[in-house]
Amino acid sequence: GIQVEQSPPDLILQEGANSTLRCNFSDSVNNLQWFHQNPWGQLINLFYIPSGTKQNGRLSATTVATERYSLLYISSSQTTDSGVYFCAVKTDSWGKFQFGAGTQVVVTP
Amino acid sequence: ETGVTQTPRHLVMGMTNKKSLKCEQHLGHNAMYWYKQSAKKPLELMFVYSLEERVENNSVPSRFSPECPNSSHLFLHLHTLQPEDSALYLCASSQEVGGALAKNIQYFGAGTRLSVL
Repeated sequence: GIQVEQSPPDLILQEGANSTLRCNFSDSVNNLQWFHQNPWGQLINLFYIPSGTKQNGRLSATTVATERYSLLYISSSQTTDSGVYFCAVKTDSWGKFQFGAGTQVVVTP
Repeated sequence: ETGVTQTPRHLVMGMTNKKSLKCEQHLGHNAMYWYKQSAKKPLELMFVYSLEERVENNSVPSRFSPECPNSSHLFLHLHTLQPEDSALYLCASSQEVGGALAKNIQYFGAGTRLSVL
């Protein structure tokens, strides 16, 4: 099956810093989503982005489908950005969503 | 609030107990999912229901039994679980697009944290 690798596995940021999270995948995908899981376990959908670039406030994402990677940018980080960021991909109509192992982000005051 | 509600939020059960997890979505979606999240592991898809029919069963042990009585409700019935089944169980829903689940966006509940003693 498709492999999804996220990097870095852990990231510690000072409030106000910018960062880039990466998701590499081993096959063509027709669905890619970024999620944020807060410390209480809630997963929130950030972006549906199988290709192209999107922005939502301080967050933006870019997927280069031909090169099989996606990037999530966090600008001016805040303590509420702490949590785990997951990339998830799907390769066919009924195939399962394959999640990466996540990037654990801690933003310190 | 994502429109997907899971109950209970926490559950402690013995290996001989029978319990059920409940998920309800208020988004008008027609597909629902159960995922398992163990410590230090990626989310694992367990079951997918589309239009109330099971379309994916990811080699899950029979001690986990899903039920989807309608498009808004999803249950996971648990019996004779093992300590290694302790995990966060997440429910999600999505809207099938164009007759396929390929381009759907999933919305997750807050999860049930299960501990099996």
